[in-house]
Amino acid sequence: NAGVTQTPKFRVLKTGQSMTLLCAQDMNHEYMYWYRQDPGMGLRLIHYSVGEGTTAKGEVPDGYNVSRLKKQNFLLGLESAAPSQTSVYFCASIQGASYEQYFGPGTRLTVT
Amino acid sequence: GQNIDQPTEMTATEGAIVQINCTYQTSGFNGLFWYQQHAGEAPTFLSYNVLDGLEEKGRFSSFLSRSKGYSYLLLKELQMKDSASYLCAAARYQKVTFGTGTKLQVIP
Repeated sequence: NAGVTQTPKFRVLKTGQSMTLLCAQDMNHEYMYWYRQDPGMGLRLIHYSVGEGTTAKGEVPDGYNVSRLKKQNFLLGLESAAPSQTSVYFCASIQGASYEQYFGPGTRLTVT
Repeated sequence: GQNIDQPTEMTATEGAIVQINCTYQTSGFNGLFWYQQHAGEAPTFLSYNVLDGLEEKGRFSSFLSRSKGYSYLLLKELQMKDSASYLCAAARYQKVTFGTGTKLQVIP
């Protein structure tokens, strides 16, 4: 039981490049979340999903897209990376009944 | 974010008790999470309160007052390893949003 995993762990992009961050969970959780964490800003919700095939916007969705084609995976895409997207990205999942939220280890992204 | 407020920093002495407060906007509120986050690591779940009152888990307890939009995390018998950031998060339906966190420093 791996819990919540994130790929990649580190990445450096140039401005304008695109990439996809993968979050996978093997706990059969319904709800999945993408957050970014910046110094002094706390965790900010980018997008979330309440089930396979559904997504919703969080607090800071601009510049990001997401997809939840399979229940166990939640993908975060950056179509045209900007330096303001330099951050640590965390994925999390919740089993609906217990509401215990598990986080992945994070992806450290630098956009130059 | 989402009108969740908690103190930025706190300092407490090893062996003592510390209370970290959190206030939140009550509209659409479902429940209140507390997390611990050590520097450079992912947050780890501590508690989730739905009903009013105090829930105890070993040295950590969490309290919720839904009518007042108020929660606190109580840490007893502080240890040096408790030095970390403590994050308060509110669930509104399935949307979970965080405060900016309280950085706790435990000193000998």
